[in-house]
Amino acid sequence: QKEVEQNSGPLSVPEGAIASLNCTYSDRGSQSFFWYRQYSGKSPELIMFIYSNGDKEDGRFTAQLNKASQYVSLLIRDSQPSDSATYLCAVKSNFGNEKLTFGTGTRLTIIP
Amino acid sequence: DTAVSQTPKYLVTQMGNDKSIKCEQNLGHDTMYWYKQDSKKFLKIMFSYNNKELIINETVPNRFSPKSPDKAHLNLHINSLELGDSAVYFCASSQEGRRRDSPLHFGNGTRLTVT
Repeated sequence: QKEVEQNSGPLSVPEGAIASLNCTYSDRGSQSFFWYRQYSGKSPELIMFIYSNGDKEDGRFTAQLNKASQYVSLLIRDSQPSDSATYLCAVKSNFGNEKLTFGTGTRLTIIP
Repeated sequence: DTAVSQTPKYLVTQMGNDKSIKCEQNLGHDTMYWYKQDSKKFLKIMFSYNNKELIINETVPNRFSPKSPDKAHLNLHINSLELGDSAVYFCASSQEGRRRDSPLHFGNGTRLTVT
């Protein structure tokens, strides 16, 4: 079992709709969770992070964490064509460990 | 500009050669990393340094040798390059990497092609 799993997609969503990206992780000791966006040929850029159960909102983005189910998701409201990218979920294991483990990413395409 | 910068951006070389990639960050971070991203976009950690001390050394061939002369620099030297080393190598840094709310800041990547 992979440490961090994501559906590779592609996920196609109409412009203006909500895009829902999912991620599961295997290490129950994981403490914090990050979502990165990566455009083709570019470096990953941080969208947001979450470490408490529940929802965290930042503009059009909402991260949702359920530690009991070992599940983290990213919702993008009012999807725009500029949101088309690969979204990477990353998990930090526990305190005292600098390692950030990434999933394979989900390729999202917003259809105008 | 405050950033993580790495050079070169592109590196094309033949099998068996030795090459280096340099990375510098002026963000004042104390932890630096090398990640490798393969053709399927999977980002895998290779090394991590905290204040010049090696913290993480994943299962990487010993042909890869990182060097950190100070906490703002982390270089990667690769000996006897192989075809399978072709990938994009990302340098990254974080402030107090052990903190749970400490994200990575990535450089622009070095696309290495071994022919």
